[in-house]
Amino acid sequence: GENVEQHPSTLSVQEGDSAVIKCTYSDSASNYFPWYKQELGKGPQLIIDIRSNVGEKKDQRIAVTLNKTAKHFSLHITETQPEDSAVYFCAAKPENSNSGYALNFGKGTSLLVTP
Amino acid sequence: DAGITQSPRHKVTETGTPVTLRCHQTENHRYMYWYRQDPGHGLRLIHYSYGVKDTDKGEVSDGYSVSRSKTEDFLLTLESATSSQTSVYFCAISEYVGLGGELFFGEGSRLTVL
Repeated sequence: GENVEQHPSTLSVQEGDSAVIKCTYSDSASNYFPWYKQELGKGPQLIIDIRSNVGEKKDQRIAVTLNKTAKHFSLHITETQPEDSAVYFCAAKPENSNSGYALNFGKGTSLLVTP
Repeated sequence: DAGITQSPRHKVTETGTPVTLRCHQTENHRYMYWYRQDPGHGLRLIHYSYGVKDTDKGEVSDGYSVSRSKTEDFLLTLESATSSQTSVYFCAISEYVGLGGELFFGEGSRLTVL
């Protein structure tokens, strides 16, 4: 099945700096790659996603890049703010999954933005 | 916010007792999922449903069963709870759109098995 590896597990940056989180996946047929943000005590929430026919997508301060050849995708957050502090999960949806439209998640990155 | 309600939000129980967690949605989404979240493991799929009375196993289904008798409700049952099932359980819903539909998560149910 699909295996999603996520690095780093923890990341600390100063306010205003950029943060980058990287993920790799194993199933070359995977075609949908979302990123979720989880704040303390809450459920994960989608912040951005990218599909296999696109190499990059931006939404204000966040961007995601996808390299299908290398089977990796990354989340970039620019001009970080304290409210960006949270756990971030990458995920992938296998093309031929036998789990409906469920996603396979990475293990998460705990991002801390210090003032 | 997606209309997803999980109950109970917190539960402490003893080994060997049955436990049922409930997920209720008001979005009329077809797909519903149960994930568990553990430190160092991220989110792992337990069971999912693709319609009323249509369910299937995820990667960590041993020790769990599910039922979906109505579109809006998806129940997760631990027939005989064990300490290894101490976790935070998240319900999610989705409506398939194109290559992939967004998962909307509930607020989670924290289960402690003593």
